[in-house]
Amino acid sequence: GAVVSQHPSWVICKSGTSVKIECRSLDFQATTMFWYRQFPKQSLMLMATSNEGSKATYEQGVEKDKFLINHASLTLSTLTVTSAHPEDSSFYICSARDHGKLHFGNGTRLTVT
Amino acid sequence: GESVGLHLPTLSVQEGDNSIINCAYSNSASDYFIWYKQESGKGPQFIIDIRSNMDKRQGQRVTVLLNKTVKHLSLQIAATQPGDSAVYFCAENIRAGKSTFGDGTTLTVKP
Repeated sequence: GAVVSQHPSWVICKSGTSVKIECRSLDFQATTMFWYRQFPKQSLMLMATSNEGSKATYEQGVEKDKFLINHASLTLSTLTVTSAHPEDSSFYICSARDHGKLHFGNGTRLTVT
Repeated sequence: GESVGLHLPTLSVQEGDNSIINCAYSNSASDYFIWYKQESGKGPQFIIDIRSNMDKRQGQRVTVLLNKTVKHLSLQIAATQPGDSAVYFCAENIRAGKSTFGDGTTLTVKP
């Protein structure tokens, strides 16, 4: 079946630094990928829709200059959290659609100290 | 055991009992609904889906019911097992666009 791989699975960084998270569709091509953020004991909140070869579409309230998204190929989207702060600590999850079904990566736990 | 609405985030059932997890969705234009299971530290895993032209769909040990009149979705798990313990989310979609997730229900299965 379709597999979405995220890397890294967890990362700790210092406040003010940037962190890049990769999302790959391993056995299918995805022109669109979705990035979610999830705080503890809360639901998934859509941050942005990543579009291959064009700009990402951000949800209301999500700063596009802080959460940089690049979808350079049909199998890879990256999310870069720039100038990270402790409040950016969260679980970031990507997903991609294959034959109509959304498949999720296993998430990246970001901790900003 | 049964969860009620979005305001009861936990459900505890005995192993072997049936579980019912409920979800109210918000957009009457939504035409595709999915139930996901999320285990601790992992991404959501697809369980079962249903389109708006149906009111019931069955899978292996799971059944999804859709009531468009009251915008309500439920997930029934038969013979609940300890491995079913997880957080369950419903999600709604419009024309295969982005998914909007509901609040989750934490299911705990007691052996």
